[in-house]
Amino acid sequence: DGGITQSPKYLFRKEGQNVTLSCEQNLNHDAMYWYRQDPGQGLRLIYYSQIVNDFQKGDIAEGYSVSREKKESFPLTVTSAQKNPTAFYLCASNTGTAPRGTEAFFGQGTRLTVV
Amino acid sequence: AQSVAQPEDQVNVAEGNPLTVKCTYSVSGNPYLFWYVQYPNRGLQFLLKYITGDNLVKGSYGFEAEFNKSQTSFHLKKPSALVSDSALYFCAVRDGAAGNKLTFGGGTRVLVKP
Repeated sequence: DGGITQSPKYLFRKEGQNVTLSCEQNLNHDAMYWYRQDPGQGLRLIYYSQIVNDFQKGDIAEGYSVSREKKESFPLTVTSAQKNPTAFYLCASNTGTAPRGTEAFFGQGTRLTVV
Repeated sequence: AQSVAQPEDQVNVAEGNPLTVKCTYSVSGNPYLFWYVQYPNRGLQFLLKYITGDNLVKGSYGFEAEFNKSQTSFHLKKPSALVSDSALYFCAVRDGAAGNKLTFGGGTRVLVKP
């Protein structure tokens, strides 16, 4: 089946630790995105990538880092610099700039909790 | 900068009654508009989109949305709501003149009562 896979589903982080969230897609999509969702709130864009080896900061990039070494993979690292990382993280992908009207497909999310 | 507003945090409706979830947007170019639904602890599922053409767009599960350029709105509608439609609904926009960034509204929780 084609789709986006996020892992793990639940992740616990100790204070001061870096953690990496995985996102893999087999849809042959050029563009990939990371969003953060806080309880009862909307989605805020962390980073996005339109093509391999290129990515741009979103609205709340501080304390996060990404890489895009392969088309199908877009891992997100939550660093110790992110002071309030507890949230639900969603990865998405779409075909990118051509055509612009295509919808994004989402993974099932990773719930990160600081303990 | 592009933006989306969903003015209602929650909409309550009785089963069988019409459902409307409001969305307004702001872009500098032509808008590409989307509606998604989210069930608890799950990712977002695509419902429908407006790219160009007819202002009334039909989507999944009996939902439709009306694009109104003069009011910069894209309200989601369903003629007869089901209890199973209870979920969190998100409107999103991509500005055709501003790259590939996808911006979401704050979400509207829909509660359909039997």
